[in-house]
Amino acid sequence: GQQLNQSPQSMFIQEGEDVSMNCTSSSIFNTWLWYKQDPGEGPVLLIALYKAGELTSNGRLTAQFGITRKDSFLNISASIPSDVGIYFCAGQETSGSRLTFGEGTQLTVNP
Amino acid sequence: EAGVTQFPSHSVIEKGQTVTLRCDPISGHDNLYWYRRVMGKEIKFLLHFVKESKQDESGMPNNRFLAERTGGTYSTLKVQPAELEDSGVYFCASSQARVPLHFGNGTRLTVT
Repeated sequence: GQQLNQSPQSMFIQEGEDVSMNCTSSSIFNTWLWYKQDPGEGPVLLIALYKAGELTSNGRLTAQFGITRKDSFLNISASIPSDVGIYFCAGQETSGSRLTFGEGTQLTVNP
Repeated sequence: EAGVTQFPSHSVIEKGQTVTLRCDPISGHDNLYWYRRVMGKEIKFLLHFVKESKQDESGMPNNRFLAERTGGTYSTLKVQPAELEDSGVYFCASSQARVPLHFGNGTRLTVT
């Protein structure tokens, strides 16, 4: 079945640093999504991308839909302690409605 | 607006027992999805309802899993009989579009 390769698996950074994570796929997606999960809670949508090449920002977060439709990245600028959590990418294929998720990036921010 | 609600938040059962998970979607959302995250792996799709109809159940692991959405409102996911590998966090999500945007907090199932 579909698989997304998300990297890195974990990151340990200092407060104020910038963060970058990405996902790649062997197949094309027509939608890319980035979610964040805090402990004990469900994933919360951060950014949705619907067009190849699209670059979208949400506060300190910026995400891009790769031009090949097979990859996406998420950048977090000037990280703060509340950015701690697990970040998931997810893609939706051109047909059907299921989402395929990456394995997640565990982010730790040291004050 | 109330979010997606899942019950129970945690469940610990023995192998061979039955467990039923419940999901109340956001009012008015026709699309309801079940996903599962096992042992720190990726979140995997289980099935998708549109109102009371199963749109896609290709992610259901086997016939020990039964999902229902009678009346097109809340949904239940029953595991009978439960096996050790069924342990994980079961998420429900709902949306008005075809992309799930609103997830519940999940039910953490532990089968011992």
